Amino acid sequence: KNEVEQSPQNLTAQEGEFITINCSYSVGISALHWLQQHPGGGIVSLFMLSSGKKKHGRLIATINIQEKHSSLHITASHPRDSAVYICAVQGGSEKLVFGKGTKLTVNP
Amino acid sequence: DVKVTQSSRYLVKRTGEKVFLECVQDMDHENMFWYRQDPGLGLRLIYFSYDVKMKEKGDIPEGYSVSREKKERFSLILESASTNQTSMYLCASSPGGTYYEQYFGPGTRLTVT
Repeated sequence: KNEVEQSPQNLTAQEGEFITINCSYSVGISALHWLQQHPGGGIVSLFMLSSGKKKHGRLIATINIQEKHSSLHITASHPRDSAVYICAVQGGSEKLVFGKGTKLTVNP
Repeated sequence: DVKVTQSSRYLVKRTGEKVFLECVQDMDHENMFWYRQDPGLGLRLIYFSYDVKMKEKGDIPEGYSVSREKKERFSLILESASTNQTSMYLCASSPGGTYYEQYFGPGTRLTVT
């Protein structure tokens, strides 16, 4: 079974800082997902990627299949980016294996 | 917009009670999922359904069952609730096929006393 590790577990930043959250996994995958969970529980899918890089607004996700590693970057961070960011990997089925999440706090 | 709704945001039940958690999606998705989320453990799959009346066990199915009689509705059943089933329960759905993002409901925080 795939093991998904995220780092750091907790991250505190000042508004405007560039943020990087890392995700590594142990077994080759077909797709990797980045999810965002705000306080209160709701989870939103940010990206699904299988190679290269994707960008949406101030968020950028990259993946290196050979190194089994992905990063989520947030440029010009803002307090509303405060949330838990979750990495999940997908092999050859519909099922996801999740990391434990990175709690991000952005202070004004 | 895809909407996934769950029957309750908060639920308190007693040990031994039968508990039903319901999930409804409005986008004609084939796949539906039930997860539980616990501090330090992350999200774990309880059951997955890929079609009406079809289901697969996830990583932690013990103590749970599911029902999918209609495409839009997926129910999670705790036959005899126990305190170790106190958790946040999240439902999700996705289109048929393998590589699609999942859409999550708001979650139900269940407390079993």
